[in-house]
Amino acid sequence: AQSVAQPEDQVNVAEGNPLTVKCTYSVSGNPYLFWYVQYPNRGLQFLLKYITGDNLVKGSYGFEAEFNKSQTSFHLKKPSALVSDSALYFCAVRDPNRDDKIIFGKGTRLHILP
Amino acid sequence: ETGVTQSPTHLIKTRGQQVTLRCSSQSGHNTVSWYQQALGQGPQFIFQYYREEENGRGNFPPRFSGLQFPNYSSELNVNALELDDSALYLCASSRGENRVNTIYFGEGSWLTVV
Repeated sequence: AQSVAQPEDQVNVAEGNPLTVKCTYSVSGNPYLFWYVQYPNRGLQFLLKYITGDNLVKGSYGFEAEFNKSQTSFHLKKPSALVSDSALYFCAVRDPNRDDKIIFGKGTRLHILP
Repeated sequence: ETGVTQSPTHLIKTRGQQVTLRCSSQSGHNTVSWYQQALGQGPQFIFQYYREEENGRGNFPPRFSGLQFPNYSSELNVNALELDDSALYLCASSRGENRVNTIYFGEGSWLTVV
């Protein structure tokens, strides 16, 4: 079965430092991978996606993610964290065998410390 | 903003009652899907509508039902509400059935069942 794992419930990073939010996936075909961010009491905002091509994907707000097929990972990164980056981050994979659902991880709460 | 609007934003219902949640998709998007996000969890796929027909469903009982209208707006109906139905309900829209298309989410409807 297709699945997404976010091994860290919470990540703390000092402002100005680089950040990484980890994600690994398990799918039976070519993965379509996504990152979404959720601010308190809000819906999900799209950050970036990997479909094919360059393994380094650039997205909104200075975020990027690196697709690693051998490690089945899709880690979210940012070179210099901002306090405003503090939020809940979800990694997701599109089920390659279906035209409908996206499977989400349980989320990682990112705290950027001033 | 994503252009996906949901109403109401918050509501409280009593166990056993019925609820209808509404969603207007982003302009040009003919596919609408619904997700349930329980507290502390990632979103779970409920179902998807494409051109007014349900074309995918997750592991939710039949008392969760929906509609899509000719203008591609959508409703989620939940009958015989249970306490565990308390959650954030997210509507998402995308253009067509292409798996590579980005799915954009609304702000959600917070449902509390008492």
